[in-house]
Amino acid sequence: KAGVTQTPRYLIKTRGQQVTLSCSPISGHRSVSWYQQTPGQGLQFLFEYFSETQRNKGNFPGRFSGRQFSNSRSEMNVSTLELGDSALYLCASSFLQGFAGELFFGEGSRLTVL
Amino acid sequence: EDQVTQSPEALRLQEGESSSLNCSYTVSGLRGLFWYRQDPGKGPEFLFTLYSAGEEKEKERLKATLTKKESFLHITAPKPEDSATYLCAVQDGLSSLNQAGTALIFGKGTTLSVSS
Repeated sequence: KAGVTQTPRYLIKTRGQQVTLSCSPISGHRSVSWYQQTPGQGLQFLFEYFSETQRNKGNFPGRFSGRQFSNSRSEMNVSTLELGDSALYLCASSFLQGFAGELFFGEGSRLTVL
Repeated sequence: EDQVTQSPEALRLQEGESSSLNCSYTVSGLRGLFWYRQDPGKGPEFLFTLYSAGEEKEKERLKATLTKKESFLHITAPKPEDSATYLCAVQDGLSSLNQAGTALIFGKGTTLSVSS
């Protein structure tokens, strides 16, 4: 069974640019959530999508956005990049029904902003 | 405000030297407390879910316990392959952020190094 796939794995951008990250969840999983991981703040929840609808959103500025497609694949976008956006962005998928804490994470997209 | 604090930040053990990792939490209404393991360059991997005080879960050399204010991850006779960062997370059942969702609040983790 294929795991959660994230692309690209590594990318370098400059301040002011925008970036789009992609996530393909495990087959059958309809819930996709995104987390930002930094050494200083740890893992922080960005947003969650289910059936193409954003169900929850964390405490991040509007520059961070996302969407989910009908096949459950998800993308997140960060506009007007800042140096502080440098982080590992992790996507996780799960069954929403009967959720018991088990998120299946991808290996992440490591973003460096120069 | 919901908060998860893990200690120590880093722990070095000799192979076979048992120890415990701590996770203190503050949430309005605990829906569940979860432990994850993260290896370098990988995403976190789920280990356990605990729901109520007094509950315990075991897996190989790991045992997780829960009280009303904290959780412990006990590591018995660790091996070098247990080296990883261990993350604790909670889900707040009363927060609008977590209404019927999967959003978790993570601690910053404890990095465990086990040497042979």
